[in-house]
Amino acid sequence: GQQLNQSPQSMFIQEGEDVSMNCTSSSIFNTWLWYKQDPGEGPVLLIALYKAGELTSNGRLTAQFGITRKDSFLNISASIPSDVGIYFCAGIGGSQGNLIFGKGTKLSVKP
Amino acid sequence: GAVVSQHPSWVICKSGTSVKIECRSLDFQATTMFWYRQFPKQSLMLMATSNEGSKATYEQGVEKDKFLINHASLTLSTLTVTSAHPEDSSFYICSALAGNYGYTFGSGTRLTVV
Repeated sequence: GQQLNQSPQSMFIQEGEDVSMNCTSSSIFNTWLWYKQDPGEGPVLLIALYKAGELTSNGRLTAQFGITRKDSFLNISASIPSDVGIYFCAGIGGSQGNLIFGKGTKLSVKP
Repeated sequence: GAVVSQHPSWVICKSGTSVKIECRSLDFQATTMFWYRQFPKQSLMLMATSNEGSKATYEQGVEKDKFLINHASLTLSTLTVTSAHPEDSSFYICSALAGNYGYTFGSGTRLTVV
């Protein structure tokens, strides 16, 4: 079945640093989504991407839908302590249009 | 925006008992809802797709008789874990497709079976 490879698995950064994480797949997706999950909570949508090549920003977050439709990246600029959490990429594709999640990137920010 | 309310947020039950988890769309109608399971430090795994007024579609490997899903109205889907065992302990999350807002998730339910 379709799978998403998300990297890195975890990151430890200093407050103020920029962060980059990405997802790749061997399958084509029609939509890429980036979520953040805090402990004990459900995922919250950060950015949605609907077109190949699309570059979208949400505050300090920027995400791009790869031209090949098989990858996406998320950048966080000038990280702050509240950016701590697990970030998931998710793709929608295939005949049933199900939402498939990457394995997540755990972000830790040192003040 | 679209809000999905999930209840309870946590539950502890004895082995062999059943537990019901509710997922409600508060300000929109959801013909389709989804149930996920998440183990510690792992990603969300789709268990089943819940369709209003019809039977749920279960993913491969998910026991339909153990995880009963009912989607009786356009705003409510329930997941019942029947005859729960410790290995069923997990974080269960529902989501609904909310038109322009896309997939919106509930806040999850932490189930602990003792």
